[in-house]
Formats: sequence, structure tokens, C-alpha cells
Amino acid sequence: AQSVTQLGSHVSVSEGALVLLRCNYSSSVPPYLFWYVQYPNQGLQLLLKYTSAATLVKGINGFEAEFKKSETSFHLTKPSAHMSDAAEYFCAVSPTYSSASKIIFGSGTRLSIRP
Amino acid sequence: DAGVIQSPRHEVTEMGQEVTLRCKPISGHDYLFWYRQTMMRGLELLIYFNNNVPIDDSGMPEDRFSAKMPNASFSTLKIQPSEPRDSAVYFCASSHRDSPDTQYFGPGTRLTVL
Repeated sequence: AQSVTQLGSHVSVSEGALVLLRCNYSSSVPPYLFWYVQYPNQGLQLLLKYTSAATLVKGINGFEAEFKKSETSFHLTKPSAHMSDAAEYFCAVSPTYSSASKIIFGSGTRLSIRP
Repeated sequence: DAGVIQSPRHEVTEMGQEVTLRCKPISGHDYLFWYRQTMMRGLELLIYFNNNVPIDDSGMPEDRFSAKMPNASFSTLKIQPSEPRDSAVYFCASSHRDSPDTQYFGPGTRLTVL
């Protein structure tokens, strides 16, 4: 079975500081991995996805994530936090491409930005 | 494109009443998903359709919940009778067959059952 674990339900950083949101996955087959962002009172929006083409994936809004098979991790980073990055972030895994429509989401990490 | 459209955005009803949530997927998308989000359980997949056919409804909590997709541009999620524990935000999402795992979410319907 596939699953993702997000470490830390709440992360707070200062504006301009590095953002690091942690995600570890469990999968018996090579996974597809995703990061979604949810702004207050909105639906989820895809930030980036890993599909085995490259281990470092760049997404929107300056975010990127690195797939590390040895660590079963897919952490999300951004060099310099902006106030507008305050949101809930979800890591997700897709079991196989053929059934990639069924995505399994993590519990989410709420990111707060301090002025 | 207008994106995924959901209505209503907010619904307040009393226990025992029927509730119908509506979704219009992005035009040309083949997959449609219904999710429920709560603080306790996070984001749960309830059911998804491919080309209007229900593929997996294993996430539907019980018989009080039903979903239909009569055509490619419309889907409904119905709860009858509703209960307070059904209070949640319900999201609809859609994706294209070329990239079924890239899902586009609607803004959600916040349901409160009193």
C-alpha cells in the first residue's frame, strides 16, 4: 500500500527565511509524488509533481522538491519565504500511473510566515 | 477556462434533510473526483468517475451518500438523510486522461448540518 507522512502539522518561518516542509512516502512500486497548496477558503492547487523524469522538480511560486529514493523523501523547499506563501501544503502519492487518478494525500502542513 | 465549478459554496441544513452538491468539471476532462475534508480525517476520496462511469466508490461512507454523473459536464453528490457528522468541506476535482493524476480542484462546498 502507498502512503505519505508529513512531518509537522504546523511550520512557522520568518519572511525571507528558508521554507522546508517534510514528506516521506511509502510505496511498493516507483511512485508519482505531488505537492499541493491550499489557500484559505480555496480548493487545492498543484504546486509540482515528480514522475521519475528528474529528481529535482521545480514548481510554481519558487517552490521545488527533491525526490530521494534512499531516504524515501520528497521534501518541499523555497529559498526565501513570502507572506503570500502562508497556506496549507499537502504531499500526495499516486500508486501507479495506470491508476494514477487515485491520489493519496497526507495530513497536511500549515505554513505560517512571520513578518 | 473557468475551472471546476461547485455550487453552492455554503450550505446550512438541519439534520434529516436532503443535501445535493453540484459540480461542473473542466471541459474536456475525463475524470471527476469527490473529496471530503475535515479536521479530524483530512482529505478523503469519496468516489471518482471516468467518462461518467463510477470507478471506485469505496470511500463513500455509507448508503446515505450517493453520487451521479449524468453527462460529462455535471455531477452531483447527494446526502439523504444528512447528519451533523457529515459537516465538512466537499471538493470536486477533475483531470484529463493524458495526465489523470494532475487534478484540478474546485473551491469546495462548506456543508454544515445542524
